[in-house]
Amino acid sequence: NAGVTQTPKFQVLKTGQSMTLQCAQDMNHNSMYWYRQDPGMGLRLIYYSASEGTTDKGEVPNGYNVSRLNKREFSLRLESAAPSQTSVYFCASSGHVIWGGEVTQYFGPGTRLLVL
Amino acid sequence: AQKVTQAQTEISVVEKEDVTLDCVYETRDTTYYLFWYKQPPSGELVFLIRRNSFDEQNEISGRYSWNFQKSTSSFNFTITASQVVDSAVYFCALSEAPGGSYIPTFGRGTSLIVHP
Repeated sequence: NAGVTQTPKFQVLKTGQSMTLQCAQDMNHNSMYWYRQDPGMGLRLIYYSASEGTTDKGEVPNGYNVSRLNKREFSLRLESAAPSQTSVYFCASSGHVIWGGEVTQYFGPGTRLLVL
Repeated sequence: AQKVTQAQTEISVVEKEDVTLDCVYETRDTTYYLFWYKQPPSGELVFLIRRNSFDEQNEISGRYSWNFQKSTSSFNFTITASQVVDSAVYFCALSEAPGGSYIPTFGRGTSLIVHP
């Protein structure tokens, strides 16, 4: 039982390059989330997926796209990376309250992204 | 809209001191969840505790205790006899459940430094 896994752990990009961050969970959770963490800003929600087949914008969605590939996997794509996207990215998953799921969010180990 | 305030940006204590981390929240919902997470220097986010809005009982787990007071909209975290290993950033979070999915809001975190 690995919990929430993320790949890669580190990445350096040049401005304008694209990349996809991968996230997978094995806890049978319905909901998945992508956050970014910047110094002094806490965790800010980029996108979330309440259940398979749905995605919604969070607080800071500009410059990102997401795909809920199946119940286990939720990817985050940067189409044209910018230095302002230098950050630590966390994926998380949780249950769904109406369906009696686990309400706590569990986080992956994070991806450190540097955009030059 | 939900909001979490952690007014203490950084706290510095000497080992064996007691320390309290403050968390004040705002919500219009009657049903919500409150959480504390720990982020040690290694960077991962570790779940510590969850409380629902109907359970105001305080909780103690070893050296950790949590005081939930709806009257003051606070969910404070106390570490008794602090240790160097307690050095970390601590996040308080609030989760309402509109439509059944969790859209947590995190505070900006309190950095705790415990000196030997």
